[in-house]
Amino acid sequence: RKEVEQDPGPFNVPEGATVAFNCTYSNSASQSFFWYRQDCRKEPKLLMSVYSSGNEDGRFTAQLNRASQYISLLIRDSKLSDSATYLCAVIQGSARQLTFGSGTQLTVLP
Amino acid sequence: EPEVTQTPSHQVTQMGQEVILRCVPISNHLYFYWYRQILGQKVEFLVSFYNNEISEKSEIFDDQFSVERPDGSNFTLKIRSTKLEDSAMYFCASIPGQGASQPQHFGDGTRLSIL
Repeated sequence: RKEVEQDPGPFNVPEGATVAFNCTYSNSASQSFFWYRQDCRKEPKLLMSVYSSGNEDGRFTAQLNRASQYISLLIRDSKLSDSATYLCAVIQGSARQLTFGSGTQLTVLP
Repeated sequence: EPEVTQTPSHQVTQMGQEVILRCVPISNHLYFYWYRQILGQKVEFLVSFYNNEISEKSEIFDDQFSVERPDGSNFTLKIRSTKLEDSAMYFCASIPGQGASQPQHFGDGTRLSIL
């Protein structure tokens, strides 16, 4: 079983739509959780950390469900500029290295 | 906002040659990482470095790879004898300390192309 799994998509949605991504992780000892955004051939950029109580940053909402070992990202009122690949990342290991999912590709259409 | 910088942005090397990728982590950060991403695949952890030594490494980080911080600012990844399958984007990241929820911020990467 993969350590961090995401639906690869692609998700093609119209502008203004709400879209949700899920990510599951296999290691119950995972410590911290993040969503990164990656544009084509660029570095991952931190979108938001994911906290146990859930957290919101503008149009983006992240949730963590430790019992079921999944995290989610909700994007409301999607913009053309939201088109990117969204990477789920989990901290595991004593050196706090990140384990990434394969990413979910989002295209927001005009 | 301070950032991680990497050089070169693109490196083209003949198979079998040595290559050194350079990173300048954010000043006062103490933990440093290298990741790689083969085209079309996920970002994979290679190695972490703290207090001038490797703290953890993945299966990918075999004897052909080494890291060092020779002058207290640059953090380098060396591949001794490159293979075609080393072609990838290589990302450096750093964090200040081992706080529970500190995210890693990445440099903009070096694209390594092995011919």
